[in-house]
Amino acid sequence: GAVVSQHPSRVICKSGTSVKIECRSLDFQATTMFWYRQFPKQSLMLMATSNEGSKATYEQGVEKDKFLINHASLTLSTLTVTSAHPEDSSFYICSAREGGPTYEQYFGPGTRLTVT
Amino acid sequence: SQQGEEDPQALSIQEGENATMNCSYKTSINNLQWYRQNSGRGLVHLILIRSNEREKHSGRLRVTLDTSKKSSSLLITASRAADTASYFCATPPGDSGYSTLTFGKGTMLLVSP
Repeated sequence: GAVVSQHPSRVICKSGTSVKIECRSLDFQATTMFWYRQFPKQSLMLMATSNEGSKATYEQGVEKDKFLINHASLTLSTLTVTSAHPEDSSFYICSAREGGPTYEQYFGPGTRLTVT
Repeated sequence: SQQGEEDPQALSIQEGENATMNCSYKTSINNLQWYRQNSGRGLVHLILIRSNEREKHSGRLRVTLDTSKKSSSLLITASRAADTASYFCATPPGDSGYSTLTFGKGTMLLVSP
């Protein structure tokens, strides 16, 4: 099956710094990538949807200036958490899809962000 | 608001017992999917059941779908300690109005040896 990777798997950073998380589709071209956030014992909440070559669409309540998403190629999307605060500590999961809504979504293994 | 709601929120059983988790959803769907997530790990796709199917099996998993009640159930038979994880149902884009899968809150399953 299709594989989606994320890097890093875990990151600890200091409050006020920025952190970049990469999401790659390894064996397919992802026209659409999704970023989710998951707090402990909670469900996945969609943060934003990004289509290759265009600006990401953010869900209500997600600050676009804080969570910068770049989908510059068909195999790579990045999420940058700017000026991170402890409340941004969470599990971030990306997902990729080769085509439109009828295509299957494949999930990355997640990135655990801890802001101290 | 979330499309899927699982119950129970948490389930604790002994190895060898069966585990049943339920999912209810709000709008019409084309299919419903179940995922597993081990603690602190990514999602693993378990099974997809289409709206015209009533039951589907995969190994020790059995999924049912009742579109009239807008509900689905996941049964894990002869559970093992390795089945300990959170289980989520998810509904796809389309009739739900969302552009991506929408997840329920999940059921945390603990299987004790």
